Amino acid sequence: QSALTQPASVSGSPGQSITISCTGTSGDIGSDIGGRNYVSWYQRHPGKAPKLMIYEVTHRPSGVSNRFSGSKSGNTASLTISGLQAEDEADYYCSSFTNSATVIFGGGTKLTVL
Amino acid sequence: EVQLLESGGGLVQPGGSLRVSCAASGFSFSEYGMNWVRQAPGKGLEWVLGIGGSGGSITQLDSVKGRFTISRDNSKNMLYLQMNSLRVEDTAVYYCAKDLSGDSPHFDSWGQGTLVTVSS
Repeated sequence: QSALTQPASVSGSPGQSITISCTGTSGDIGSDIGGRNYVSWYQRHPGKAPKLMIYEVTHRPSGVSNRFSGSKSGNTASLTISGLQAEDEADYYCSSFTNSATVIFGGGTKLTVL
Repeated sequence: EVQLLESGGGLVQPGGSLRVSCAASGFSFSEYGMNWVRQAPGKGLEWVLGIGGSGGSITQLDSVKGRFTISRDNSKNMLYLQMNSLRVEDTAVYYCAKDLSGDSPHFDSWGQGTLVTVSS
């Protein structure tokens, strides 16, 4: 199964909003498994472990800023970061559970804060 | 505080075997599914295998079926990855990752990784 498709890079200035897209298929992002949709987003700073930022498309784990939000339409999920800050500069990965009971990641998007 | 600490990585020849381990602490280990995720040099993250809290539910990537085995010892709070018939393309940093809740496929804690290099 091919990786989910993300843009290689996005950029924005402090205070702006950016959106990262993640495109899959009807077998992963577009699939509701047991009535739930298992799309996640991870932030990864260089040399650090990935950090879960969004789960089940729109939910934020405790401690994650509400500047981070997720959405989904059809086979494409999106992560929006509002009020961009320098500390948001990192790599971002989407992932989805699939109808084959596996997990698939996107190729990653490098966010640059100008 | 949740802590995951991988160990056992190293250099192995193609066709060889290696077992990596993950020591877990700070949570009720048996109540959570666990996973192995890898990252090859210059590439993105790739989920490899997952195992349910009781050890009874295992899922895996097609490319590792028959070669990699995931297991856990809940009495020792340990997760294992046995890798056989290793290929050059298996070279990667291997991370253990904890499910957010039960068997949900969202990973809220990760280790720092252990490097596995397959080369002659």
